[in-house]
This record gives sequence, C-alpha cells and structure tokens, in this order.
Amino acid sequence: DTAVSQTPKYLVTQMGNDKSIKCEQNLGHDTMYWYKQDSKKFLKIMFSYNNKELIINETVPNRFSPKSPDKAHLNLHINSLELGDSAVYFCASSPPTGENSPLHFGNGTRLTVT
Amino acid sequence: QKEVEQDPGPLSVPEGAIVSLNCTYSNSAFQYFMWYRQYSRKGPELLMYTYSSGNKEDGRFTAQVDKSSKYISLFIRDSQPSDSATYLCAMKFGNQFYFGTGTSLTVIP
Repeated sequence: DTAVSQTPKYLVTQMGNDKSIKCEQNLGHDTMYWYKQDSKKFLKIMFSYNNKELIINETVPNRFSPKSPDKAHLNLHINSLELGDSAVYFCASSPPTGENSPLHFGNGTRLTVT
Repeated sequence: QKEVEQDPGPLSVPEGAIVSLNCTYSNSAFQYFMWYRQYSRKGPELLMYTYSSGNKEDGRFTAQVDKSSKYISLFIRDSQPSDSATYLCAMKFGNQFYFGTGTSLTVIP
C-alpha cells in the first residue's frame, strides 16, 4: 500500500542514453512533483503538475521531459544523459493547497551516469 | 540570499540529549512549515507540519514557529540512535515548497 512509488530504484546507464523514471501515487492527490537531490542533500524542484497540467517548470535542460498521463502518474524522461545528471530523483505529491497539504515523497531513483 | 537557510552540521550528540535544529527564512509570505526526516537511501518522511506561530508537539518532537523572527525550530527530546538521519526544513507558499539544505544528525549510543 505504498503511497508514492517510483521505479526503478536504481538506474545505471552510459552517457548519451535515454531513460525514463515512472511515478505513481495512490493518495488521491492533485499535484505531483519531480525533485532532484544532489550529493549535499539539497532538494531542487524540477517540475510540478496539477491535474495533468504543468504548473511549475524550473530552469531544467530540455533533455528532461515530464509527462502526466493522469493525475495519479507523473513520469520523467531524460534524453542524451550526461555525467552531471547523476543524482537521486524524487517524485512527490500533495493535496490541494490548504491547511493540511504537505509533500509526500517516494523513495527515490538513484541515477548513475557513467 | 537563499529563501531558506539551515545549518548543514554535522551534529553529533549522545543518546538522551535534547537536539535543537533550526532554520531561518526570508519570505514573509510562507504560510506552512514542515520538518522532514531522511534516512540514508530513503525518501524524506514528514515529521511535523504547522501553519501558525507557536509550538506543536508530537511525542518526543516539538516544532516551533516564530513568524515575526522568520525562524523555525525542531526539538527532539531523549534522542535515540534511531533518530540519526538528515533533517530538512521546508516552507510552503501556494504550490511551491522551499527546502533547507538539511542538517545531518548522529545520535551516539
């Protein structure tokens, strides 16, 4: 009964390859996010979707493209992977803004580009 | 200046100590304040969530918010080795969340 699940957990690939990370939440939340966490544990927002609509699109290379087929799923596709893309990518979701709307995170996808 | 400032530590305390973790912020529009705990190779886990100035207690954890000083704290009483983790503060405005850099805590048995 995992609330926010993402696959794969680990991803090791070579420079130049294309890869995807999938995320699903069963909390009934409207908003989903992708965060990148660097080696110093800083969480940087990449994208956010609300009911399949893109609402946050931070300064991220065009090689990163999110897709939300429905409000329970948010996938991340990365083209032409580079060494600097190595990081942990977290999917998260939150209910509509209000008094009780914190972020709920998945367990992350550890991407290593060689 | 970053939106949220947090001392990265590392912080090392003996078992049973009281731990104080702090964050300051610059944007007075922040409405909601959170503390997350992150174990190694896991996702951040919500510990405390508050939306007003004052204290909120949950077991050994107390979250304190001072909006006038733009300062939030997390206190851990009777710290345990299982509390060893990275603690992240976060603030929310609209649909945006703003995180501190995290404080690494080790509780020594």
